[in-house]
Amino acid sequence: AQSVAQPEDQVNVAEGNPLTVKCTYSVSGNPYLFWYVQYPNRGLQFLLKYITGDNLVKGSYGFEAEFNKSQTSFHLKKPSALVSDSALYFCASADGGGYQKVTFGTGTKLQVIP
Amino acid sequence: GAVVSQHPSRVICKSGTSVKIECRSLDFQATTMFWYRQFPKQSLMLMATSNEGSKATYEQGVEKDKFLINHASLTLSTLTVTSAHPEDSSFYICSASPIGDTQYFGPGTRLTVL
Repeated sequence: AQSVAQPEDQVNVAEGNPLTVKCTYSVSGNPYLFWYVQYPNRGLQFLLKYITGDNLVKGSYGFEAEFNKSQTSFHLKKPSALVSDSALYFCASADGGGYQKVTFGTGTKLQVIP
Repeated sequence: GAVVSQHPSRVICKSGTSVKIECRSLDFQATTMFWYRQFPKQSLMLMATSNEGSKATYEQGVEKDKFLINHASLTLSTLTVTSAHPEDSSFYICSASPIGDTQYFGPGTRLTVL
């Protein structure tokens, strides 16, 4: 069984400040981890994924995530937040590298304050 | 990245009618597609796995006679909500992936049952 947890329902950050959205995972075997973003009444957009390799993964729109095996975490980060980053962020895990079904966390609403 | 479309984007229907939602992979073939349901301010819940040329696999608690899935071609899966009721009102999202690649999500369909 695999699962991901997002401990924060909402994160508020001032524009220009660094942001972190937290995610922890519990998977058997090698973890396949993802971050997606959802804007209101829209589908999900892929940001980045960790399959194997470097622990620091760079993705779309300046986002990156750090895979930490000892802490079983995969936090999403960005050095300087934009107001347009305000959205709902989902951490997810998957079997088989992501081309099989995906299990989502509960989501974290990011609010970037001008 | 790959593109997945859904039609319609929004539908309003009367209680007791059936509604069909289409999910298309526009620039790749997908032997497997996934259907998710999202309630307001909640995460995505996997409903079923749609398999081209064979029966869909439903998650526990999802009524297969209520949510009919047909995956008739490598680029099209349809979800039919039969005899819809107000409690079926939700945001339905499909996903698909090119072989060995990440899941890409459609823009979603907002169903409102009056």
